[in-house]
Amino acid sequence: NAGVTQTPKFQVLKTGQSMTLQCAQDMNHEYMSWYRQDPGMGLRLIHYSVGAGITDQGEVPNGYNVSRSTTEDFPLRLLSAAPSQTSVYFCASTTGLGTQYFGPGTRLTVL
Amino acid sequence: GENVEQHPSTLSVQEGDSAVIKCTYSDSASNYFPWYKQELGKGPQLIIDIRSNVGEKKDQRIAVTLNKTAKHFSLHITETQPEDSAVYFCAALPTGGGNKLTFGTGTQLKVEL
Repeated sequence: NAGVTQTPKFQVLKTGQSMTLQCAQDMNHEYMSWYRQDPGMGLRLIHYSVGAGITDQGEVPNGYNVSRSTTEDFPLRLLSAAPSQTSVYFCASTTGLGTQYFGPGTRLTVL
Repeated sequence: GENVEQHPSTLSVQEGDSAVIKCTYSDSASNYFPWYKQELGKGPQLIIDIRSNVGEKKDQRIAVTLNKTAKHFSLHITETQPEDSAVYFCAALPTGGGNKLTFGTGTQLKVEL
C-alpha cells in the first residue's frame, strides 16, 4: 500500500493564480480530509468528505473548493491564491474507527 | 465544538530522561484520543492512541494516560533518544462528531545528547 500520496511536494504561486492540490489513498477509506498547518496553530481542518459525492466544510474553508468523485481521490482547489494561503497542506484518510493517516504534505508559497 | 489545549509548547530533555506532554479537552463526549509525531518536513504519524474505556495504554517506551473526570490526557516517553526529537500533537474526537479530529497546537520536543 502506498497509503496517502500528495502532489506536488512544493509549489510557488502568484497572487490570483489558481491550482489544484492532489490527494489519493489506496486504503479504501470513506473519510478523507484536508488540513493546513501554520506555525503555532497546529492543524486546522479545511474541508472533509465522508464518501464519494459528499463533502462538507471544516474550520477554515474560505478560498478553497473540494470534490470527491471517487473513493480514492480528494483534490483541493485554490480558486484565486492569496498570500494568506501560504502554508503546508496535509491530506488525511481515516478508518472507520477514527484513526487518521496523513500524506507527506504540500508546501505552498503565494507571492 | 471541541477545544484541545496542549502544554508545553517546547520541551527540552537530556537523553535518557523522561518527557511528558499534557492535553486537556473540553467536550466530555470525546471518546478517542490519538497522539501524532511529526518529523521535520514530513506528515504527522500516529504513534499511540487511547479510547475512553481505557485509562492507560503502553507501547514500549511510549504510554498514554487518560483522566476522563478531569478531561485530560498525557503522553509519556521514557528513556528518550535523539530520534524522539520532533513535534508531537494530541487530538480528540467527539462521539457523533463524524471523524473530525480536533488537534492541539503541538509540542516541540528536543532530546539533547
